[in-house]
Amino acid sequence: DAEITQSPRHKITETGRQVTLACHQTWNHNNMFWYRQDLGHGLRLIHYSYGVHDTNKGEVSDGYSVSRSNTEDLPLTLESAASSQTSVYFCASSESVARPYNEQFFGPGTRLTVL
Amino acid sequence: AQSVTQLDSHVSVSEGTPVLLRCNYSSSYSPSLFWYVQHPNKGLQLLLKYTSAATLVKGINGFEAEFKKSETSFHLTKPSAHMSDAAEYFCVVSEVGNDKLIFGTGTRLQVFP
Repeated sequence: DAEITQSPRHKITETGRQVTLACHQTWNHNNMFWYRQDLGHGLRLIHYSYGVHDTNKGEVSDGYSVSRSNTEDLPLTLESAASSQTSVYFCASSESVARPYNEQFFGPGTRLTVL
Repeated sequence: AQSVTQLDSHVSVSEGTPVLLRCNYSSSYSPSLFWYVQHPNKGLQLLLKYTSAATLVKGINGFEAEFKKSETSFHLTKPSAHMSDAAEYFCVVSEVGNDKLIFGTGTRLQVFP
């Protein structure tokens, strides 16, 4: 079955370190998204991609970067981790924007703690 | 700009009683609306989506939602709550033409025996 996976599931790091969270999908979807989930905010969009070599900033992109070198993967990098980036991170994917009412499929999440 | 407002941050019901989770949306266009559920320490799962084919949308696990354009609402209901329904529920609107999802802040549903 097609799926979307994230690794690691849990990560503890120190302030100032670079951290990369992996996201891999086997749906063959063009669109991929990264969100963070914090109490009282729901999910907020960090970065997204509509295809290979395409990346776009979302609502809360400061301090984060992504790159898309193939269809299956969209790694999220925290350039210099800050305590404010302690959160749960979700990756999602969806088919091309040409299809209306396009739901997104979510990974299981990565819980990141920055000390 | 599109947005969603979930009117209750917490809802508590007894097992076997009806569930109502309220959601209002704001959109200049005919919206794409979704309800997602998140069980503790899990990812998000699609419950149902509004596709304009019918105003009453049926989803998984006995949930339904009714699209009311005049009230700009998309409330989620279930006739009889089950203990396994305890979770966080998100009302979501999709931006027209770009597939970006805008999430409400969530409603935590507690179900008591």
